[in-house]
Amino acid sequence: DPKIIQKPKYLVAVTGSEKILICEQYLGHNAMYWYRQSAKKPLEFMFSYSYQKLMDNQTASSRFQPQSSKKNHLDLQITALKPDDSATYFCASSQGQGAGNQAPLFGEGTRLSVL
Amino acid sequence: GDQVEQSPSALSLHEGTDSALRCNFTTTMRSVQWFRQNSRGSLISLFYLASGTKENGRLKSAFDSKERRYSTLHIRDAQLEDSGTYFCAAEAGGGSGNKLIFGTGTLLSVKP
Repeated sequence: DPKIIQKPKYLVAVTGSEKILICEQYLGHNAMYWYRQSAKKPLEFMFSYSYQKLMDNQTASSRFQPQSSKKNHLDLQITALKPDDSATYFCASSQGQGAGNQAPLFGEGTRLSVL
Repeated sequence: GDQVEQSPSALSLHEGTDSALRCNFTTTMRSVQWFRQNSRGSLISLFYLASGTKENGRLKSAFDSKERRYSTLHIRDAQLEDSGTYFCAAEAGGGSGNKLIFGTGTLLSVKP
């Protein structure tokens, strides 16, 4: 059974629209993350949350807004979508932040295509 | 910023042969993780190391415990199912929390 659930798996959107990518983890982890993998590029860190608080934001654009309604949820809202936003978005979680914590585990990703 | 340099970018192996992938870090890293990304795009975690070496079947990984500036992934007796893209990802630690910095990947193709 998948422990990190991302929905949907595939998403097609039109330029200028808004979408929400869902991530839920059932591992009891306290830290959650978003990464993006654009075509032919390595994964890039976007955000990290710990106990539902933003810890790090490496995303230049405010069009990307994480939302944490529950400790085991970290959704990603993307507004005013652009074709360059097309990528696979991976959610991850870990026991906590800081030394001695376990490796982050990754979800299956949401593949977003913006037309 | 901190960078992860992964090599080679592509590798073609015949079944049964051995090879190694390497990641160099521009600064001292706290830990390293190795992944394989399959054709469906799923990331499969292979190893997580804070130091030393780990082995799992035909795969073995090492993280330089002294200077913490490189890691290797050894593949022994390569099989067709080993094909995929391999990524290393390093954690700088300190104020970076658990942020992972990914290498550019190695596209491995194993042929009969």
